[in-house]
Amino acid sequence: ESVLTQSPGTLSLSPGERATLSCRASQTVSSSYIAWYQQKPGQAPRLLISGASSRATGIPDRFSGSGSGTDFTLTISRLEPEDFAVYHCQQYGSSLITFGQGTRLEIK
Amino acid sequence: QVQLQESGPGLVKPSETLSLTCTVSGDSISSGTYYWGWIRQPPGKGLEWIGSIYYSGTTYYNPSLKSRLTISVDTSKNQFSLKLSSVTAADTAVYYCTRRGSSFGHPVLDVWGQGTTVTVSS
Repeated sequence: ESVLTQSPGTLSLSPGERATLSCRASQTVSSSYIAWYQQKPGQAPRLLISGASSRATGIPDRFSGSGSGTDFTLTISRLEPEDFAVYHCQQYGSSLITFGQGTRLEIK
Repeated sequence: QVQLQESGPGLVKPSETLSLTCTVSGDSISSGTYYWGWIRQPPGKGLEWIGSIYYSGTTYYNPSLKSRLTISVDTSKNQFSLKLSSVTAADTAVYYCTRRGSSFGHPVLDVWGQGTTVTVSS
């Protein structure tokens, strides 16, 4: 079972800046099985990216995902005020699901 | 539009069994298209997958919870349920029910309930 480690734990940036969030797996993961979610306070997570790089329906194109093997990245090209939230990476394998511990993106 | 709604007690005593139900609307569990499951989030912490179930009753459990966990499905009511026995304070969390669908052919948790807070305390 692969463990996902997200970094940094907290990222402090200003609106308009570029955010780069990392998700590292302890074992090689198929890109097809990596997803990213956004969670705002008091809300359920929302799917952003599937298959490491495919934006879900309705997700703005400032969000992009990349990576392969054990290293995956979520990039937000120009931060909007509504993007400040917690981001979770998730892997699916052998019918089991694991999450990273999350990255909190906060306003600087 | 598919909606999931969790229900169940918000307070459970230590050593007792936590029981939650998720009611599905806008979709039929019996369609066999999706897996249905549970995720939890302790206060201030990350997400933890609990387990999943198919309409046939096939289940997949988090190994760390397997000995205490039962997930079941009632297709006649379009519901699935979670039972977690011998709870402790560490089981205090927001519990979400989810649908495991696909996006561009990739398995994802594409529908979430609003979540329900369960506190374990005497």
